Order: sequence, then C-alpha cells, then structure tokens
Amino acid sequence: NIVMTQSPKSMSISVGDRVTMNCKASQNVYNNIAWYQQKPGQSPKLLIYYASNRYNGVPDRFTGSGYGTDFTLTINSVQAEDAAFYYCQRIYNSPLTFGSGTKLEIK
Amino acid sequence: EVQLVESGEGLVQPGSSMKLSCVASGFTFSNYGMNWIRQAPKKGLEWIALIYYDSSSKYYADSVKGRFTISRDNSKNTLYLEMNSLRSEDTAMYYCAKSRGGFGEDYFDYWGQGVMVTVSS
Repeated sequence: NIVMTQSPKSMSISVGDRVTMNCKASQNVYNNIAWYQQKPGQSPKLLIYYASNRYNGVPDRFTGSGYGTDFTLTINSVQAEDAAFYYCQRIYNSPLTFGSGTKLEIK
Repeated sequence: EVQLVESGEGLVQPGSSMKLSCVASGFTFSNYGMNWIRQAPKKGLEWIALIYYDSSSKYYADSVKGRFTISRDNSKNTLYLEMNSLRSEDTAMYYCAKSRGGFGEDYFDYWGQGVMVTVSS
C-alpha cells in the first residue's frame, strides 16, 4: 500500500508569515491528492483536491502544488484562524490513505 | 444544505458488536460513494471503508477487514457501519463522509460531525 508521509509534524508561525508543509507519497500518485484542515473539536474540511484545485469558499491564501510523489500546501499570509491540523490524502484508488498530519500553531 | 448526521455512539466491551448509522440530507444520496473514517484520541485520520453509490463495490482498510461491514440503504438515505469483534484499538471518533463521485474513490467534500466509540472493559 502507498504510504503518505507529511512533514514537518508541527510548526509555529506568526500571523502574516508564509508557511509550507509537505506530503510525500511512497509511489507515484499523479495528481491524486487532497488536503484537509481540521480545527480542534471539529470535523475535517476539504481545502484542495487533485493537488492544486482550491475547493469552494477556500481563501486564496491556500495553494496546493506538486505531482507524482511530492506535494506541498502553502498558506500565504497566515491568519490566526488557520491554526489547525492539516492532512493530505491519497485519492482515486483505495486504500484512501491519509498522511499523519502537520500541526500548525500560531505564535 | 448537505448534512451528514451520525448516530450509534457508545461504550462497549472488547469482543462485542456495534452498528453506526449516518443519515444524509441535502443531496441525492443514491448518486454518491460514501465512506467511514476514524480518528483515535489525539491521533490522525484513518480511512476505514468505502461503498459505491449502488453498493456494487466495497473496500476496507486492512485494520478492519473481516470485522467491519459497510452498507447503505438508498431508500432511507442512510449509511451504516457494522462493527464486530471490537478491540480497544477501535476506540475512536467515527466520521462518515461523502465522496465527490459515485464510485467513492475520490476526495471527501462533506463530513459528518462524528460519533465516539469507546471499547473498554
């Protein structure tokens, strides 16, 4: 099965900074990646699908990129409300594996 | 408005069984694949099961294969997860989620609020 590895495990960023987090697939998954945001006590929410497509209503400071095995989620000008866990997920073929997540803290 | 409402939360003993339900509204349930995802306390997300729009195919994570069964009743707009031989490591918040497409192997565009299942003696 394909393993999804996210890095870093956590990061602490100031409001207004730019943040980049990574997701690496153990095999080529083409552009079949989604990104989700989960805030404390809430269900996950879809941010990005097919590696680079922003979902409805997602602020344009969120950008996804990558293809094949290496993917990136970038948040430009981080806001306080962006404090959350972020998960990548392999889609298109089961198992629909999630990465272990990146925790974003705001200083 | 799309809504997914899970039920069946509870505390059960190891080795026992439990059934979760997820009632959908706000979309044509019979057109979409559906999934169950769980999250153990303080842990990440784990996809566990998928069912196609017409129940023609079902897929499971290795961790639950042979013990859990996903099913759906399109006439009732309801998704189910039958869980047997429960173990302490099955303790988690269980979410249902709608797939973008009918076959389910796609991104999840809507999630329920989750129900807590605790397996303990």
